[in-house]
Amino acid sequence: KQEVTQIPAALSVPEGENLVLNCSFTDSAIYNLQWFRQDPGKGLTSLLLIQSSQREQTSGRLNASLDKSSGRSTLYIAASQPGDSATYLCAVPQGGSEKLVFGKGTKLTVNP
Amino acid sequence: GAVVSQHPSRVICKSGTSVKIECRSLDFQATTMFWYRQFPKQSLMLMATSNEGSKATYEQGVEKDKFLINHASLTLSTLTVTSAHPEDSSFYICSARGGWYNNEQFFGPGTRLTVL
Repeated sequence: KQEVTQIPAALSVPEGENLVLNCSFTDSAIYNLQWFRQDPGKGLTSLLLIQSSQREQTSGRLNASLDKSSGRSTLYIAASQPGDSATYLCAVPQGGSEKLVFGKGTKLTVNP
Repeated sequence: GAVVSQHPSRVICKSGTSVKIECRSLDFQATTMFWYRQFPKQSLMLMATSNEGSKATYEQGVEKDKFLINHASLTLSTLTVTSAHPEDSSFYICSARGGWYNNEQFFGPGTRLTVL
């Protein structure tokens, strides 16, 4: 059974700092991995989707890497801004299915 | 593209009543829709998967007679919480995939259910 762990559970940084969020998963037989952002009381916004054949994906100040063999992914946020404050979730498929298994998320606070 | 909406965004009801939540794909045909539940400070947990025109597949531990799912069209799925109790209070989120967007799930904004 796929399990997803995200470390740290919470992170507080000053504005402008670069930071890394970590995600690990137990079953490396995945075909993709997604990073999402969730604002309080809101739904999910997809940030990046990495296919299993890719090692990283970039979107603006965000860069996500994937190391399938070690069961790890990182989300790098450059020059953080207060607007980046949210909970970041990673998710991977359960086995070869379309069902997603989510981590508990990392709650990020960027202080002005 | 790939917009998913949910209605209502927030609902408060009395214990014992039933509540229906709608999930719509606005600009694509969703052959598959998923329903998740999220308790405070917890992760999203998949409740069920529904394919258009067929019965939903429920995850282990989810009561199908309590959480009725209907996916009658390619753009609409509904979740009905029957005889709701306070422990059903949660954040319910749907997602959809299909058509041009068949390789990933797109999520709705969620529905906050509070049962008094």
